[in-house]
Amino acid sequence: DVKVTQSSRYLVKRTGEKVFLECVQDMDHENMFWYRQDPGLGLRLIYFSYDVKMKEKGDIPEGYSVSREKKERFSLILESASTNQTSMYLCASSLVGGASYTGELFFGEGSRLTVL
Amino acid sequence: GENVEQHPSTLSVQEGDSAVIKCTYSDSASNYFPWYKQELGKGPQLIIDIRSNVGEKKDQRIAVTLNKTAKHFSLHITETQPEDSAVYFCAASRAGSARQLTFGSGTQLTVLP
Repeated sequence: DVKVTQSSRYLVKRTGEKVFLECVQDMDHENMFWYRQDPGLGLRLIYFSYDVKMKEKGDIPEGYSVSREKKERFSLILESASTNQTSMYLCASSLVGGASYTGELFFGEGSRLTVL
Repeated sequence: GENVEQHPSTLSVQEGDSAVIKCTYSDSASNYFPWYKQELGKGPQLIIDIRSNVGEKKDQRIAVTLNKTAKHFSLHITETQPEDSAVYFCAASRAGSARQLTFGSGTQLTVLP
């Protein structure tokens, strides 16, 4: 059974702290994603990685960075957390598809971050 | 870039009734339209998708229709059951480009017993 695991379900941090959100997938997928979910705004892409050490900015990368040192692991880093980064963070992975194929996204259960 | 609008934001139906969720998209080059279901406390999960070369696709009680001319697509759930209660997201992208998947804002569906 496919599985995307986010290490922390709930985190509470203080403004200015450095925050690490970890995600591991066991499906040997090439693509990994970090999304942010806010009520009324849907899912917004923060960063995307299509290979080890490769990354692309998504739609809302400001204030975030990522790291992908191993194929199965993709980390989201908040260098200096702010209250407007309080949100649900979702990690996802997918296979690389051909020109006519878009890979199904497999999501983790989410990490709810509160920044005080 | 692509913009996907989803309506309604909340929807309540009686058990056994049908539910319809509608989405519009802006990029005429989009040709892949998935729907994801997010149950409480879980991540979204793909339930059905449609590509622009077909107008309708069914899978048991769920169906999706696509109108390329009007640039809108809809999710239809018939004979709703309590386990259909969830948040549903539509999305649009160009096939072959998972990075360019743009999601709608979500619909909270509640099926009342």
